[in-house]
Amino acid sequence: EPEVTQTPSHQVTQMGQEVILRCVPISNHLYFYWYRQILGQKVEFLVSFYNNEISEKSEIFDDQFSVERPDGSNFTLKIRSTKLEDSAMYFCASRNLQEGTQYFGPGTRLLVL
Amino acid sequence: AQSVTQLDSHVSVSEGTPVLLRCNYSSSYSPSLFWYVQHPNKGLQLLLKYTSAATLVKGINGFEAEFKKSETSFHLTKPSAHMSDAAEYFCVVTFTGTASKLTFGTGTRLQVTL
Repeated sequence: EPEVTQTPSHQVTQMGQEVILRCVPISNHLYFYWYRQILGQKVEFLVSFYNNEISEKSEIFDDQFSVERPDGSNFTLKIRSTKLEDSAMYFCASRNLQEGTQYFGPGTRLLVL
Repeated sequence: AQSVTQLDSHVSVSEGTPVLLRCNYSSSYSPSLFWYVQHPNKGLQLLLKYTSAATLVKGINGFEAEFKKSETSFHLTKPSAHMSDAAEYFCVVTFTGTASKLTFGTGTRLQVTL
């Protein structure tokens, strides 16, 4: 059964450093999403991406964040200059054109020190 | 605006007894509703979904949920809890037929005791 994959599973970085979180969505899916879950809190929407552009973003998704689909298979989230409060689990999700269900990857746990 | 309220942050049941996890939603448009489960240190797995077809939705692992428009509810039930059901459960809403974001509830932690 096809699934969304994410790498790395864990990442530790120093405050101010750039990080890139990678996702490989399900192959025939056209909509892509990033969500995050700060420890002990609910899952929050960050951004949605369709047809090579951002379709919606939340207030959290400020200028420090960017997304890209560089090669037709990967979908990346870049945080330019990480802050302590960026520490969270980051989930990628994808869905196809017809079905409303978003399928989630296993997440990347980011720790900013 | 869309939102979901999960009425219980923590539910504890004995193995073999019924499970009820409550969810109320608010949506200006026809909603799609989902329940996702998250086991410790794992990702989010879809349990079931409602997308304007049958109001009683059956999911995986014996779970089901009923969409009640009059009560704006989408409670999750299971007739008999199993130890492996212990996890965090999220009620989620989105607008039907759009690329819109998912809005998550705060989650209900289900504990199953012997």
